[in-house]
Amino acid sequence: GAGVSQSPRYKVAKRGQDVALRCDPISGHVSLFWYQQALGQGPEFLTYFQNEAQLDKSGLPSDRFFAERPEGSVSTLKIQRTQQEDSAVYLCASSQYTGTSGRTDTQYFGPGTRLTVL
Amino acid sequence: AQKVTQAQTEISVVEKEDVTLDCVYETRDTTYYLFWYKQPPSGELVFLIRRNSFDEQNEISGRYSWNFQKSTSSFNFTITASQVVDSAVYFCALSVEYGNKLVFGAGTILRVKS
Repeated sequence: GAGVSQSPRYKVAKRGQDVALRCDPISGHVSLFWYQQALGQGPEFLTYFQNEAQLDKSGLPSDRFFAERPEGSVSTLKIQRTQQEDSAVYLCASSQYTGTSGRTDTQYFGPGTRLTVL
Repeated sequence: AQKVTQAQTEISVVEKEDVTLDCVYETRDTTYYLFWYKQPPSGELVFLIRRNSFDEQNEISGRYSWNFQKSTSSFNFTITASQVVDSAVYFCALSVEYGNKLVFGAGTILRVKS
């Protein structure tokens, strides 16, 4: 079946603009994650959804970052008033199931959105 | 807090050589999960393997093998008879049972030359 898809693949924004990044998870996957990957570094966790509930947003770097998943499927990461330090690749991942025991399932990643803020 | 260290920033080998990528992790949790992902130039993270903390059995998949040692908190990855297509950035990652999020190492760039 189809994997995780993200759009746009590339986004160039002028400093101060708002951007919205979309993630379509694998069909039926309950959990959805957003990560930020700066150039030459490993991905860093931003936020996590289980269905439509945002259960962890501890990694969001500032209140300019906002994520939603209103129907428990597609998710949007919004960055308001972009700054140059927001330039990075934003990765979305989904996993099939996280039960009440907190069992960790394998996360499958999309191709990412490369955001460049000028 | 959890931490993953990949001390090798970049490794260059000639095709057909064996290469081992090191990964050392830190966690106080007794139940945790370890992962390796490959990131080719296209940018997408490709899942390679997942291991549970209570299963130290080593695993082999084709040219890939993994050595998990709890005593040294290491989860090393060996590619046998490397090929040019193995060139990529490889990430080791850790997740604890109730945390779900992945904590990644900084990655190791592997360059395989023909």
